[in-house]
Parts: sequence; structure tokens; C-alpha cells
Amino acid sequence: AQSVTQPDIHITVSEGASLELRCNYSYGATPYLFWYVQSPGQGLQLLLKYFSGDTLVQGIKGFEAEFKRSQSSFNLRKPSVHWSDAAEYFCAVAPARGSARQLTFGSGTQLTVLP
Amino acid sequence: EPEVTQTPSHQVTQMGQEVILRCVPISNHLYFYWYRQILGQKVEFLVSFYNNEISEKSEIFDDQFSVERPDGSNFTLKIRSTKLEDSAMYFCASKGTGTNSPLHFGNGTRLTVT
Repeated sequence: AQSVTQPDIHITVSEGASLELRCNYSYGATPYLFWYVQSPGQGLQLLLKYFSGDTLVQGIKGFEAEFKRSQSSFNLRKPSVHWSDAAEYFCAVAPARGSARQLTFGSGTQLTVLP
Repeated sequence: EPEVTQTPSHQVTQMGQEVILRCVPISNHLYFYWYRQILGQKVEFLVSFYNNEISEKSEIFDDQFSVERPDGSNFTLKIRSTKLEDSAMYFCASKGTGTNSPLHFGNGTRLTVT
């Protein structure tokens, strides 16, 4: 069965600092990989996705993520964090085969941004 | 940009009552989903729906749960007799038919069972 691990429950960074949120997955083949963000009281917004091809993917709001097959990782990065980035971030995987695209989520990483 | 809308944003109900959570998926999407997030826990898959039938469901989705697409636009989740442990945020999602189409989520309905 597929699973997703986000080792960091809570991360605090200063505004303007760089950010990396870790995500490791367990799956029998290369899955589809996603990062979602959830602001307080809001739904899940897709930041970026990886299906195939270039292992460095660009997303919205200046985020990027790199797929590393050898490490089964899909870490999310941003070079300079803004106060509005404070939110909870979820990594998710889905089977590459089939259309239903059921997602398995990690437990999330809460990001706090200090002024 | 088209979006998934869910109503109500917050519903409070008494234990044992039936609730219906409503979702309007993106209009040209054909795959529909319900997920839930109990406070402080992971977002969990409940059910997927395609071509007017359930395509997959998790072990959470027992006989107390049902889904329906009563017309061309709405997608509903019914909980027949709510329990305290059903209190959670329920997210609806939809997906287009393209191979690389991601899921688009609504803002969720917070269900509180008292």
C-alpha cells in the first residue's frame, strides 16, 4: 500500500529565509506526486504536481519541488518565504495507473513565518 | 478559474441525525471524491465516483455513508445516522478526464456532531 511521510510536524522560519519541507513516499512504482496547501479555514489548494519528465517542477506562489527517485522523496522548496505562506502543507501521492487518482496524504507540516 | 464549491461551510447536528453535505464540482469534470480530515489528523480518502457509480471506497465509508449525483451539477455525501466520531472537515474534489488532471478541492464543510 502506498504511504506518505512528512517528518516535520511544525517548521518555523523567518520571513525572507529559504524553506524546505520534506516528503518521503512508499510506493511500488513511480507514483504521481502532489503538494497541497491549506490556509486556515480554507480548502486544499494545489501548489504543484509531478507526473513524469523533468524532476524539478515549478508551482504557484514561487514554490518548486524536486522528485528524487533514489531517495523516494519529493521535497518542497521556496527560496524566500513570505508571511502569507504561513499555512499547512500536505504532500500526497496517487497511483500512476488508472484514472480514479485516489490520493494518499501525508500528515502535513504546519509552517509558521516570523516577521 | 472554475472551482469546486461546498455547502454549508459549517454544519452542526445532533448524534443520530442524518446530514447531507453538498458539493458542486467543476462543470466539465467527471470524477468526484469525498475526503475527510478529523481535527489534527491526516486527510483521508472516503470515496470516488465516476459514471454514476462508486469506483472506490475506503474502509471508513461504511453503510452509514452514501453518495449521490442527483442532477447534472450536485454531488452529495449523506451520513445516515451521525456519530460523534464523524465530526470532521469533509472535502469534496473533482477531476477532469485528462491523464494528468489533478484533483481540485472545495473549501470543505466542517461537520460538528454533538
